Amino acid sequence: QKEVEQNSGPLSVPEGAIASLNCTYSDRGSQSFFWYRQYSGKSPELIMSIYSNGDKEDGRFTAQLNKASQYVSLLIRDSQPSDSATYLCAVSGSGGSNYKLTFGKGTLLTVNP
Amino acid sequence: GAGVSQSPSNKVTEKGKDVELRCDPISGHTALYWYRQRLGQGLEFLIYFQGNSAPDKSGLPSDRFSAERTGESVSTLTIQRTQQEDSAVYLCASSLGGGPRNSPLHFGNGTRLTVT
Repeated sequence: QKEVEQNSGPLSVPEGAIASLNCTYSDRGSQSFFWYRQYSGKSPELIMSIYSNGDKEDGRFTAQLNKASQYVSLLIRDSQPSDSATYLCAVSGSGGSNYKLTFGKGTLLTVNP
Repeated sequence: GAGVSQSPSNKVTEKGKDVELRCDPISGHTALYWYRQRLGQGLEFLIYFQGNSAPDKSGLPSDRFSAERTGESVSTLTIQRTQQEDSAVYLCASSLGGGPRNSPLHFGNGTRLTVT
């Protein structure tokens, strides 16, 4: 059973702070990693993808990947109240199942004004 | 353009009844996924369609669940003899195919199914 684990939270940070979201996965063959944001009652939307070890930055978001440790993280700098949402970590299957995403349960982030 | 469209948005049904959920993918998207999201849980893979290839049904939780897709268009997810544990949001997603690394998944707004 391939698993993706996330801190369930809730994670509460003040406006302007850095929010750090973490994820570990069990399938060593996974090659693609994604972060989705899901506002309450809405569908998930893709915000970051990462495929190589190291950091990938996009605006206020930085994704970090360490395949040896099977660990993915998402940093949100200068957090805004509009960032308040559930963040879902998703990991692709390995080999011929690379189309299949396994999702974690999500971390609820609240950014306080 | 239009996104992924799902209907109905909400469905309340009695235990034991059959339900049919519909998904209209983005035009031109050859890949279509169904996921289930129970309260407080992550998204659970149900089924994957890619063009005319045989679908991956490995995520369907029981033989009460089935799904069809006509070519590269509409898909329907059918749940027979619904049970209370089937209550969840059923999400459909589509993409251009080739896996999420090549083409991101676009999710619909889901159908919230409540079995009483």
